[in-house]
Amino acid sequence: DTAVSQTPKYLVTQMGNDKSIKCEQNLGHDTMYWYKQDSKKFLKIMFSYNNKELIINETVPNRFSPKSPDKAHLNLHINSLELGDSAVYFCASTPTSGSTDTQYFGPGTRLTVL
Amino acid sequence: DQQVKQNSPSLSVQEGRISILNCDYTNSMFDYFLWYKKYPAEGPTFLISISSIKDKNEDGRFTVFLNKSAKHLSLHIVPSQPGDSAVYFCAARGAQKLVFGQGTRLTINP
Repeated sequence: DTAVSQTPKYLVTQMGNDKSIKCEQNLGHDTMYWYKQDSKKFLKIMFSYNNKELIINETVPNRFSPKSPDKAHLNLHINSLELGDSAVYFCASTPTSGSTDTQYFGPGTRLTVL
Repeated sequence: DQQVKQNSPSLSVQEGRISILNCDYTNSMFDYFLWYKKYPAEGPTFLISISSIKDKNEDGRFTVFLNKSAKHLSLHIVPSQPGDSAVYFCAARGAQKLVFGQGTRLTINP
């Protein structure tokens, strides 16, 4: 009964490839997020969707394209992968887009670009 | 221009003693602060939070202190237990998003 799940857990790929990471939450939450944990360990928000609509889009290269087929899923597609994309990517969800909602995180996907 | 910083990458504390984790921020518009705990191969989980209108919030062994004038918050864990060994992230909320620090790895020694 995992609350927020991500697949795959590990992803190793070559530069220039296109890859996707999937996220699903079974909490009935309205809002989902993608975070990137970079080499300096900071967790930085990339995108936020509320009921399938994009509400936050940080300064992320347009090679990254989130897709939300329904409010329980938020997938991340990355085109033309670069070495600097290597990081751990976390999905999260909150009940609403309210400012004090606790965020529930997935286990992370470690992406390694060779 | 990291707005939230945890300047100690690691901290080692004896079991039973107090653990104090620190966090500094620069944006005075932040109005809500949170601590998350992360075990290896898992995502961060919420631990405790504090609104900017308060200076202290307590939940069992965990207490968060906020000093707005210094733009500083701290997490106190007492007594520390082996299961507290994890990475702790502080986060600040503003403009509908969380800004995280880089984490402090806490190790509790028996």
